[in-house]
Amino acid sequence: SQTIHQWPATLVQPVGSPLSLECTVEGTSNPNLYWYRQAAGRGLQLLFYSVGIGQISSEVPQNLSASRPQDRQFILSSKKLLLSDSGFYLCAWSQGTEQYFGPGTRLTVT
Amino acid sequence: AQSVSQHNHHVILSEAASLELGCNYSYGGTVNLFWYVQYPGQHLQLLLKYFSGDPLVKGIKGFEAEFIKSKFSFNLRKPSVQWSDTAEYFCAVNAENTGFQKLVFGTGTRLLVSP
Repeated sequence: SQTIHQWPATLVQPVGSPLSLECTVEGTSNPNLYWYRQAAGRGLQLLFYSVGIGQISSEVPQNLSASRPQDRQFILSSKKLLLSDSGFYLCAWSQGTEQYFGPGTRLTVT
Repeated sequence: AQSVSQHNHHVILSEAASLELGCNYSYGGTVNLFWYVQYPGQHLQLLLKYFSGDPLVKGIKGFEAEFIKSKFSFNLRKPSVQWSDTAEYFCAVNAENTGFQKLVFGTGTRLLVSP
């Protein structure tokens, strides 16, 4: 069966520091991969999606970037964090009509 | 741009009460509709989905939702809630004209069921 992992589970980082969040999927190949963010009082906002290795599409302009170095690995990064980057980050995968979500990373930028 | 509105941000019910959570979307074309649920400490998971056919969709744990195209709505219902239904519920929409499954989510509704 397929599983999706995210780490770390929680992270506290100072403003201006770099960020790297990792997501990996097991038990499937060539999935579509997604990064979402949920800020306080808001719904889940799609940040990036990828349909294959090295193929990244950004949904909103922001301080973040994403990369897909391997088929089942999706990384969310920032060179310099802003306070507004705080939130709950979810990774998801799909191969059909349903998306499957990871456990998420709670990021607090101080 | 598509948007999804969930008007109830917090709902508190007693066990055995009936539940209806509202969801409205703004998109005039063909859509796929979803309700996701996140129980405390667990992953976001699919509760039910509508693609076509019978507009009354049944999901897991006794939940159902009705797609009313004329009202752009996809409300979630359960006749009798249980304490274990305490969770956050998200409505999501996918416009069929996108090349892959791109979901737009509502802001979520936190449901608290008191025993």
